[in-house]
Amino acid sequence: NAGVTQTPKFRILKIGQSMTLQCTQDMNHNYMYWYRQDPGMGLKLIYYSVGAGITDKGEVPNGYNVSRSTTEDFPLRLELAAPSQTSVYFCASSLRITSGNTEAFFGQGTRLTVV
Amino acid sequence: KQEVTQIPAALSVPEGENLVLNCSFTDSAIYNLQWFRQDPGKGLTSLLLIQSSQREQTSGRLNASLDKSSGRSTLYIAASQPGDSATYLCAVRGYGGSQGNLIFGKGTKLSVKP
Repeated sequence: NAGVTQTPKFRILKIGQSMTLQCTQDMNHNYMYWYRQDPGMGLKLIYYSVGAGITDKGEVPNGYNVSRSTTEDFPLRLELAAPSQTSVYFCASSLRITSGNTEAFFGQGTRLTVV
Repeated sequence: KQEVTQIPAALSVPEGENLVLNCSFTDSAIYNLQWFRQDPGKGLTSLLLIQSSQREQTSGRLNASLDKSSGRSTLYIAASQPGDSATYLCAVRGYGGSQGNLIFGKGTKLSVKP
């Protein structure tokens, strides 16, 4: 019953440091997504993947990188952290549109502070 | 570009009231629409998913309707309870490629007072 699991839950980074936010899902979903949520701004899509080996940019990709080597895992890499990357990050997954049911499931989030 | 708007941004009601949350979107070519609930400091919990061919979906005290042609959806909560206090988000999904991603509104923060 795990669904979408994100680690860590909280992290404080210093400016210029790097880190990887981990995301794994056990529902055999094709699509995976990374969003960031800032107060008053809603959720913005950073990157998405439609399957292993395929990734694409969303609305706010600058400063981030992703990879998708397996169906289950979709890590988000922050290089040279900046205060503007202070946010709450959510990973999500769903089946592809052709499956009919594309209900999206979200992880519990990673709260990141860059100081 | 698809834009999703939720009105009101915040709502406070006494316990027991029936209430309606609104969601509007600019491009009617959607595949489906999903309503979520978010508690403070938590992730998003899926409440209801409405396919573009459907008019409404129900789950317990929740009923979501969809009028694709007018670009509107409503979430009706019957007999509200303090435990319903949360932020409610709607998101639309288009067809394929980047359009197949979820586009979110900014949410309605609901407070139900005992």
